[in-house]
Amino acid sequence: DAKTTQPPSMDCAEGRAANLPCNHSTISGNEYVYWYRQIHSQGPQYIIHGLKNNETNEMASLIITEDRKSSTLILPHATLRDTAVYYCIVRGYNAGNNRKLIWGLGTSLAVNP
Amino acid sequence: NAGVTQTPKFQVLKTGQSMTLQCAQDMNHEYMSWYRQDPGMGLRLIHYSVGAGITDQGEVPNGYNVSRSTTEDFPLRLLSAAPSQTSVYFCASSGQANYGYTFGSGTRLTVV
Repeated sequence: DAKTTQPPSMDCAEGRAANLPCNHSTISGNEYVYWYRQIHSQGPQYIIHGLKNNETNEMASLIITEDRKSSTLILPHATLRDTAVYYCIVRGYNAGNNRKLIWGLGTSLAVNP
Repeated sequence: NAGVTQTPKFQVLKTGQSMTLQCAQDMNHEYMSWYRQDPGMGLRLIHYSVGAGITDQGEVPNGYNVSRSTTEDFPLRLLSAAPSQTSVYFCASSGQANYGYTFGSGTRLTVV
C-alpha cells in the first residue's frame, strides 16, 4: 500500500505562501493523491486532488513531481483561517482487497499574524 | 443544500448497548463512507458504499454493520458497543469514484 510522509508541523506568516510537502514514494500508477484539511475538531474538508498533472482550484495548487513520488500543496496567500491539520492521502487497497484511503497524521500548519 | 448531516453529535453508551449513527446527504452522491478518528491515528475507513444496495468493508469493519437502502442515507450500526469503539465517527460522500469527499461534522461516541 502506498503510504504518505508529511512533516508533523509547519509555520507560515499570514499573507505568505504556505508550501506543504508530501512524500508518497510507493504510489502506484493509478493512485490519485488527495489533500484534505481539518480545522480543530471539524470534519475534514476536501482541498484538491491529482493524478499526474499539476492542479489548481480556488483554494490551492497541487504540484506533483514527474516521478509522482512526492507532491506539494501550495496555499498562495495563507490566512489565519488556514490554520489546520493538512492531510496528504492516496487511494489504495489493503491485503484483503478492501478499499481504503490511507490517512497519516498530517501536517499541523500554524499561520501566524 | 445541507451537505452531509450526521446525528447525533454526541453520544454516551454503556458497554453492550446498541445504537445507530445516522448519516444523510442531499447531494445525490453515489459514494458514501464511514470513518473513525482516534487520537494519534489517522482516519480509518470502516465501511463504504458505491450506491444504493451496495456496501463493502473498509480497513476496520469489525463490530460495525451498515446498509444502504436509499441513495441519501447510510446508517452505521453498533450491535454491542465496546470501549474500544470510543472514537469520533465521520460520514462522507462523493459524487464520483475519484472525486473528493464531503464530510459531515462528526459524532463523538464514548462507550463506558
